[in-house]
Amino acid sequence: DAKTTQPPSMDCAEGRAANLPCNHSTISGNEYVYWYRQIHSQGPQYIIHGLKNNETNEMASLIITEDRKSSTLILPHATLRDTAVYYCIVRGRPYGSSNTGKLIFGQGTTLQVKP
Amino acid sequence: EAQVTQNPRYLITVTGKKLTVTCSQNMNHEYMSWYRQDPGLGLRQIYYSMNVEVTDKGDVPEGYKVSRKEKRNFPLILESPSPNQTSLYFCASSPRGHYNTEAFFGQGTRLTVV
Repeated sequence: DAKTTQPPSMDCAEGRAANLPCNHSTISGNEYVYWYRQIHSQGPQYIIHGLKNNETNEMASLIITEDRKSSTLILPHATLRDTAVYYCIVRGRPYGSSNTGKLIFGQGTTLQVKP
Repeated sequence: EAQVTQNPRYLITVTGKKLTVTCSQNMNHEYMSWYRQDPGLGLRQIYYSMNVEVTDKGDVPEGYKVSRKEKRNFPLILESPSPNQTSLYFCASSPRGHYNTEAFFGQGTRLTVV
């Protein structure tokens, strides 16, 4: 699975859009980009995932560059409850029997939403 | 409500006293796994299970056991806990091995071994 790089921390004003970047320059064609977040030592929470096209759901939007080497998670109207550690994870289809199914969590980006 | 339930949420125990952390999911998922989270080390997979009676080691299995007798349950067993197993533990489940699917995590079990 490809390695990801995220800034360690970011701030965002409440009500503004939060744009969290992720670099995954070694991503391969069958690998998906996932985003999870963890609020204060709670269990990680799935946000969104995508392969090539941009994706949107009720929580966020995911923008993936055309070369797929980077992506941006967008929280359109950040609230104080969005303060969390955000993890960008790249996960591909396993081949053969070597599927551990694990998600590789890096250090993530700590997003602080401020009033 | 779809959920993964872990118990207990908090546990303080002494070295060598066997303990079990339970994990149950109500989504009929085939795949379940255990992670531990430590400062500076992130989340690391301990064990996983592809289906009933199928389990395998993750990255940090030493000192842990698991079983998968029923689809919904995946308990984590520490036969002889040691202080280096003090950690925050998460159970997770998904329909398949997390590929193109959402993984659901429990709320965590904070274990302290003294």
